[in-house]
Amino acid sequence: GAVVSQHPSWVICKSGTSVKIECRSLDFQATTMFWYRQFPKQSLMLMATSNEGSKATYEQGVEKDKFLINHASLTLSTLTVTSAHPEDSSFYICSASRDSYGYTFGSGTRLTVV
Amino acid sequence: KQEVTQIPAALSVPEGENLVLNCSFTDSAIYNLQWFRQDPGKGLTSLLLIQSSQREQTSGRLNASLDKSSGRSTLYIAASQPGDSATYLCAVPPKAAGNKLTFGGGTRVLVKP
Repeated sequence: GAVVSQHPSWVICKSGTSVKIECRSLDFQATTMFWYRQFPKQSLMLMATSNEGSKATYEQGVEKDKFLINHASLTLSTLTVTSAHPEDSSFYICSASRDSYGYTFGSGTRLTVV
Repeated sequence: KQEVTQIPAALSVPEGENLVLNCSFTDSAIYNLQWFRQDPGKGLTSLLLIQSSQREQTSGRLNASLDKSSGRSTLYIAASQPGDSATYLCAVPPKAAGNKLTFGGGTRVLVKP
Protein backbone atom coordinates (compact mmCIF):
# COMPACT_ATOMS: atom_id res chain seq x y z
CA GLY A 1 0.00 0.00 0.00
CA ALA A 2 0.88 3.65 0.33
CA VAL A 3 0.01 5.05 3.74
CA VAL A 4 0.85 8.52 5.00
CA SER A 5 0.45 9.23 8.69
CA GLN A 6 0.09 12.79 9.95
CA HIS A 7 0.27 13.97 13.56
CA PRO A 8 -1.22 15.59 15.47
CA SER A 9 -4.73 15.57 14.07
CA TRP A 10 -5.54 18.76 15.93
CA VAL A 11 -3.61 21.23 18.06
CA ILE A 12 -4.41 24.41 19.95
CA CYS A 13 -1.57 26.75 20.77
CA LYS A 14 -1.06 30.19 22.17
CA SER A 15 -0.16 33.09 19.94
CA GLY A 16 3.60 33.47 19.63
CA THR A 17 4.47 29.82 20.16
CA SER A 18 5.64 27.31 17.56
CA VAL A 19 3.91 24.14 16.47
CA LYS A 20 5.40 21.13 14.71
CA ILE A 21 3.39 18.83 12.45
CA GLU A 22 4.80 15.47 11.36
CA CYS A 23 4.14 13.58 8.17
CA ARG A 24 5.39 10.01 7.80
CA SER A 25 5.25 7.58 4.92
CA LEU A 26 4.66 4.26 6.66
CA ASP A 27 5.27 1.62 4.01
CA PHE A 28 7.31 3.38 1.36
CA GLN A 29 10.12 5.87 0.98
CA ALA A 30 9.15 9.34 -0.13
CA THR A 31 11.90 11.54 -1.53
CA THR A 32 9.31 14.25 -2.07
CA MET A 33 6.43 15.28 0.15
CA PHE A 34 3.99 18.13 -0.27
CA TRP A 35 2.44 20.45 2.29
CA TYR A 36 -0.96 22.02 1.73
CA ARG A 37 -3.14 24.48 3.55
CA GLN A 38 -6.90 24.52 3.31
CA PHE A 39 -9.35 27.19 4.39
CA PRO A 40 -13.01 26.34 5.08
CA LYS A 41 -14.95 25.39 1.95
CA GLN A 42 -11.95 26.03 -0.27
CA SER A 43 -9.70 23.71 -2.22
CA LEU A 44 -6.19 22.79 -1.16
CA MET A 45 -3.44 25.36 -1.59
CA LEU A 46 0.07 24.01 -2.08
CA MET A 47 2.47 25.65 0.33
CA ALA A 48 5.74 23.90 -0.38
CA THR A 49 7.45 20.84 -1.76
CA SER A 50 9.65 19.04 0.75
CA ASN A 51 12.74 17.35 -0.69
CA GLU A 52 14.69 14.76 1.28
CA GLY A 53 18.18 15.99 2.08
CA SER A 54 17.74 19.44 0.58
CA LYS A 55 15.86 22.67 1.04
CA ALA A 56 12.15 22.84 0.53
CA THR A 57 10.69 24.66 -2.44
CA TYR A 58 8.09 27.20 -1.38
CA GLU A 59 5.20 28.48 -3.46
CA GLN A 60 4.95 32.16 -4.17
CA GLY A 61 3.62 34.10 -1.22
CA VAL A 62 4.47 31.48 1.41
CA GLU A 63 6.90 32.73 4.05
CA LYS A 64 9.69 30.19 4.41
CA ASP A 65 10.78 31.63 7.77
CA LYS A 66 7.24 31.26 9.09
CA PHE A 67 6.67 27.74 7.80
CA LEU A 68 9.84 25.72 8.35
CA ILE A 69 10.04 22.42 6.55
CA ASN A 70 12.51 19.67 7.34
CA HIS A 71 12.75 16.43 5.38
CA ALA A 72 15.53 14.68 7.26
CA SER A 73 14.76 11.13 6.17
CA LEU A 74 13.02 9.28 3.38
CA THR A 75 9.98 8.66 5.58
CA LEU A 76 9.57 11.85 7.59
CA SER A 77 8.84 15.47 6.79
CA THR A 78 7.95 18.08 9.39
CA LEU A 79 6.26 21.45 9.10
CA THR A 80 6.88 23.91 11.92
CA VAL A 81 4.67 26.97 12.15
CA THR A 82 6.85 29.48 13.97
CA SER A 83 5.56 32.32 16.12
CA ALA A 84 2.03 31.32 15.30
CA HIS A 85 -0.71 33.92 15.11
CA PRO A 86 -4.49 33.53 14.82
CA GLU A 87 -4.34 34.06 11.06
CA ASP A 88 -2.23 30.88 10.83
CA SER A 89 -5.22 28.89 12.07
CA SER A 90 -6.09 26.50 9.29
CA PHE A 91 -6.17 22.90 8.16
CA TYR A 92 -2.76 21.59 7.08
CA ILE A 93 -2.39 18.41 5.00
CA CYS A 94 0.68 16.58 3.73
CA SER A 95 0.97 14.15 0.86
CA ALA A 96 3.48 11.95 -0.89
CA SER A 97 3.47 10.09 -4.18
CA ARG A 98 4.30 6.48 -4.90
CA ASP A 99 4.48 5.40 -8.52
CA SER A 100 1.65 2.92 -8.96
CA TYR A 101 -0.47 4.34 -6.18
CA GLY A 102 -0.52 7.99 -7.16
CA TYR A 103 -0.68 10.52 -4.38
CA THR A 104 -1.55 9.63 -0.80
CA PHE A 105 -2.62 12.20 1.74
CA GLY A 106 -2.34 12.39 5.47
CA SER A 107 -5.45 12.85 7.58
CA GLY A 108 -4.71 16.53 8.15
CA THR A 109 -3.98 18.72 11.16
CA ARG A 110 -6.42 21.31 12.44
CA LEU A 111 -4.38 24.16 13.94
CA THR A 112 -6.09 26.73 16.13
CA VAL A 113 -4.05 29.63 17.45
CA VAL A 114 -5.60 31.50 20.38
CA LYS B 1 0.03 25.93 -17.26
CA GLN B 2 -2.38 23.12 -16.44
CA GLU B 3 -5.87 24.15 -15.36
CA VAL B 4 -8.40 21.71 -13.95
CA THR B 5 -12.11 22.46 -13.77
CA GLN B 6 -14.86 20.50 -12.10
CA ILE B 7 -18.52 20.84 -12.93
CA PRO B 8 -20.89 21.07 -11.18
CA ALA B 9 -19.54 22.75 -8.06
CA ALA B 10 -22.34 21.24 -6.01
CA LEU B 11 -24.83 18.45 -6.53
CA SER B 12 -27.79 17.26 -4.49
CA VAL B 13 -29.58 14.01 -5.35
CA PRO B 14 -32.01 11.61 -3.67
CA GLU B 15 -30.62 8.33 -2.45
CA GLY B 16 -30.41 5.69 -5.16
CA GLU B 17 -29.72 8.01 -8.06
CA ASN B 18 -26.53 7.69 -10.05
CA LEU B 19 -23.98 10.47 -9.72
CA VAL B 20 -22.01 11.93 -12.63
CA LEU B 21 -19.09 14.20 -11.78
CA ASN B 22 -17.09 15.92 -14.48
CA CYS B 23 -13.45 16.99 -14.58
CA SER B 24 -11.73 18.78 -17.47
CA PHE B 25 -8.08 19.70 -17.92
CA THR B 26 -6.36 21.97 -20.42
CA ASP B 27 -3.05 20.15 -21.02
CA SER B 28 -3.43 16.57 -22.24
CA ALA B 29 0.22 15.71 -21.42
CA ILE B 30 -0.66 14.07 -18.15
CA TYR B 31 1.02 11.21 -16.31
CA ASN B 32 -2.22 10.06 -14.73
CA LEU B 33 -5.41 11.41 -13.20
CA GLN B 34 -6.62 10.73 -9.69
CA TRP B 35 -10.00 11.10 -8.04
CA PHE B 36 -10.21 11.83 -4.33
CA ARG B 37 -12.91 12.13 -1.75
CA GLN B 38 -12.76 14.57 1.17
CA ASP B 39 -15.09 14.51 4.15
CA PRO B 40 -15.44 17.71 6.22
CA GLY B 41 -12.41 18.27 8.44
CA LYS B 42 -10.61 15.23 7.05
CA GLY B 43 -7.77 14.51 4.67
CA LEU B 44 -8.17 13.22 1.14
CA THR B 45 -8.93 9.60 0.38
CA SER B 46 -7.84 8.28 -2.98
CA LEU B 47 -10.72 6.69 -4.89
CA LEU B 48 -9.34 5.86 -8.32
CA LEU B 49 -6.10 6.36 -10.20
CA ILE B 50 -6.19 6.25 -13.99
CA GLN B 51 -2.90 5.99 -15.81
CA SER B 52 -2.54 8.03 -19.01
CA SER B 53 -2.62 4.84 -21.09
CA GLN B 54 -5.93 3.69 -19.58
CA ARG B 55 -9.47 4.60 -20.58
CA GLU B 56 -11.21 3.75 -17.32
CA GLN B 57 -10.90 2.33 -13.84
CA THR B 58 -13.54 0.68 -11.69
CA SER B 59 -13.83 0.02 -7.98
CA GLY B 60 -17.13 -1.25 -6.64
CA ARG B 61 -19.83 1.32 -7.39
CA LEU B 62 -17.27 3.76 -8.73
CA ASN B 63 -16.19 4.05 -12.34
CA ALA B 64 -13.92 6.72 -13.76
CA SER B 65 -13.26 7.31 -17.44
CA LEU B 66 -10.43 9.23 -19.05
CA ASP B 67 -10.36 10.84 -22.48
CA LYS B 68 -7.00 12.53 -22.83
CA SER B 69 -7.64 13.89 -26.32
CA SER B 70 -10.64 15.90 -25.14
CA GLY B 71 -9.14 16.64 -21.72
CA ARG B 72 -11.95 15.05 -19.74
CA SER B 73 -12.55 12.58 -16.99
CA THR B 74 -15.88 11.52 -15.54
CA LEU B 75 -16.54 9.86 -12.21
CA TYR B 76 -19.69 7.76 -12.03
CA ILE B 77 -21.09 6.63 -8.69
CA ALA B 78 -23.87 4.09 -9.05
CA ALA B 79 -26.85 3.84 -6.71
CA SER B 80 -25.80 6.69 -4.46
CA GLN B 81 -26.06 6.40 -0.68
CA PRO B 82 -26.11 9.07 2.04
CA GLY B 83 -22.59 7.96 2.96
CA ASP B 84 -21.42 9.14 -0.45
CA SER B 85 -22.00 12.73 0.66
CA ALA B 86 -18.60 14.44 0.50
CA THR B 87 -16.49 16.67 -1.71
CA TYR B 88 -14.96 14.96 -4.71
CA LEU B 89 -11.73 16.26 -6.20
CA CYS B 90 -9.91 15.35 -9.37
CA ALA B 91 -6.21 16.06 -9.72
CA VAL B 92 -3.51 15.68 -12.36
CA PRO B 93 0.25 15.82 -12.10
CA PRO B 94 2.30 17.00 -15.09
CA LYS B 95 3.92 14.46 -17.39
CA ALA B 96 6.77 13.57 -14.99
CA ALA B 97 5.82 11.59 -11.92
CA GLY B 98 6.33 13.04 -8.47
CA ASN B 99 5.62 16.64 -9.42
CA LYS B 100 2.98 18.73 -7.76
CA LEU B 101 -0.66 18.10 -8.43
CA THR B 102 -3.11 20.49 -10.00
CA PHE B 103 -6.51 20.19 -8.36
CA GLY B 104 -9.96 20.98 -9.63
CA GLY B 105 -12.17 23.09 -7.38
CA GLY B 106 -14.16 20.05 -6.30
CA THR B 107 -17.78 18.97 -6.47
CA ARG B 108 -19.69 19.00 -3.19
CA VAL B 109 -22.17 16.13 -3.20
CA LEU B 110 -25.17 15.69 -0.94
CA VAL B 111 -27.17 12.48 -1.12
CA LYS B 112 -30.49 12.87 0.62
CA PRO B 113 -32.06 9.84 2.31
